[in-house]
Amino acid sequence: EDQVTQSPEALRLQEGESSSLNCSYTVSGLRGLFWYRQDPGKGPEFLFTLYSAGEEKEKERLKATLTKKESFLHITAPKPEDSATYLCAVHSRYSNSGYALNFGKGTSLLVTP
Amino acid sequence: ETGVTQTPRHLVMGMTNKKSLKCEQHLGHNAMYWYKQSAKKPLELMFVYSLEERVENNSVPSRFSPECPNSSHLFLHLHTLQPEDSALYLCASSQEGVGQPQHFGDGTRLSIL
Repeated sequence: EDQVTQSPEALRLQEGESSSLNCSYTVSGLRGLFWYRQDPGKGPEFLFTLYSAGEEKEKERLKATLTKKESFLHITAPKPEDSATYLCAVHSRYSNSGYALNFGKGTSLLVTP
Repeated sequence: ETGVTQTPRHLVMGMTNKKSLKCEQHLGHNAMYWYKQSAKKPLELMFVYSLEERVENNSVPSRFSPECPNSSHLFLHLHTLQPEDSALYLCASSQEGVGQPQHFGDGTRLSIL
C-alpha cells in the first residue's frame, strides 16, 4: 500500500533561519511527487511536481529535491509570509482505470519575525 | 472567474437536511475530484470523475452522492449526514493522466448539527 509520511508535524523558525521539511514515501512505481502549500481557510496551492530521483525545482525561497525514498522542501531565509501548512502527495493507483493523489498529513510551519 | 470555485464557502445543516455543494473549474481540465479534509488527518479522496465518467470509491457512505454534468461542473449531494461528516470538502481538477498536478478550490466548511 502506498504511504506518505511527513516530518516534522510542526516547525517554528525565526525569520531568516533556513530549514528543511521531509516527505518519505513508499509507492510501487513513482509517477509524480507533488508539494502544495495550504493557508488557513484556503485550499491547497500547487507548488512543484518532481518525477525522478535527482530532480530539483525552485521557486523563490523554496527548493524541492527528490531521492528514491524521500523528498525535501528546503526553505532558505524564510519570511513570516512563508507560514503555512506544506503538504506532500504522490500519485497512487486509485482504481483499475486511474490515479489520484495520496497525501501526507502535512507540516505546519510558523515563521516569526 | 479563474481557477476552481466552490460554493457555498460555509454550510451548517441538520442531520435530516438535503443540501448540495457546487464546484466549477475554469482551467479546461477533464478530470475532477472531491476530497474530505478533517483535522489531524490527511486529505481523503472521495470521488474521481475522469472524462465525465465516475470512478467509484466504495469506502464513501451512500449519503454522499456526486454528480458531474459536464467537464466544468461537479456537485456533491448530501443527505442524512452524521456529525462525523463535519469537515472541509475540497474540489480539485486536473488534466487526466498520470503525473498531472491537481488544482484545488478553497473548499466548503461543512458543520452538521
